[in-house]
Amino acid sequence: NIVLTQSPATLSVTPGESVSLSCRASQSISTSIHWYQQKSNESPRLLIKYASQSISGIPSRFSGSGSGTDFTLSINRVESEDFSIYYCQQSYSSLYTFGSGTKLEIK
Amino acid sequence: EVQLVESGGGLVQPGRSLKLSCAASGFTFSDYNMAWVRQAPTKGLEWVASISYGGSNTHYGDSVKGRFTISRDNAKSTLYLQMDSLRSEDTATYYCASAGRYFDYWGQGVMVTVSS
Repeated sequence: NIVLTQSPATLSVTPGESVSLSCRASQSISTSIHWYQQKSNESPRLLIKYASQSISGIPSRFSGSGSGTDFTLSINRVESEDFSIYYCQQSYSSLYTFGSGTKLEIK
Repeated sequence: EVQLVESGGGLVQPGRSLKLSCAASGFTFSDYNMAWVRQAPTKGLEWVASISYGGSNTHYGDSVKGRFTISRDNAKSTLYLQMDSLRSEDTATYYCASAGRYFDYWGQGVMVTVSS
């Protein structure tokens, strides 16, 4: 199975800062990576598909990049509503897997 | 508006069975692949199973293969997850999601607790 490693596990930032979250795959997966946000006690929400493709209704401060094994979710000028957990997910294999998540918390 | 509403969760003893349902509305259910994703308490997301739009192709995660069965009834716009031989480690919130290669719509989740 393809293993996704997210780093850091926790990221403490001040509102207004810009951040980058990493997701590394155990093998090359082209751009078959998708990003989700999960707020406390809520269902996950799709943020980015296929590494960099935007999703309707998602604020433009969220962007994605990468290909192969290394991927990044960037948040430009973090807002208070962005403090939550972020997961990456691969669909290169039909046996989908998620990363363990990065928690974005207020410093 | 797309809606996915899970039901059928609850407390069940180890070794017993439970069947979850997910009622879909607001989109053409029969056109979409679907999936179940679960989340153990305080843990991350784990993909459980997927099914093609017609129901002919299914895939399962290693931890549930041979014990869980995903199915669908397109006439009723409903997705199912039959869970047999349940274990304590199956305790989780189970989400139904529409699933091409990514999960674009999610239900609110249903809790399953496996305990004696």
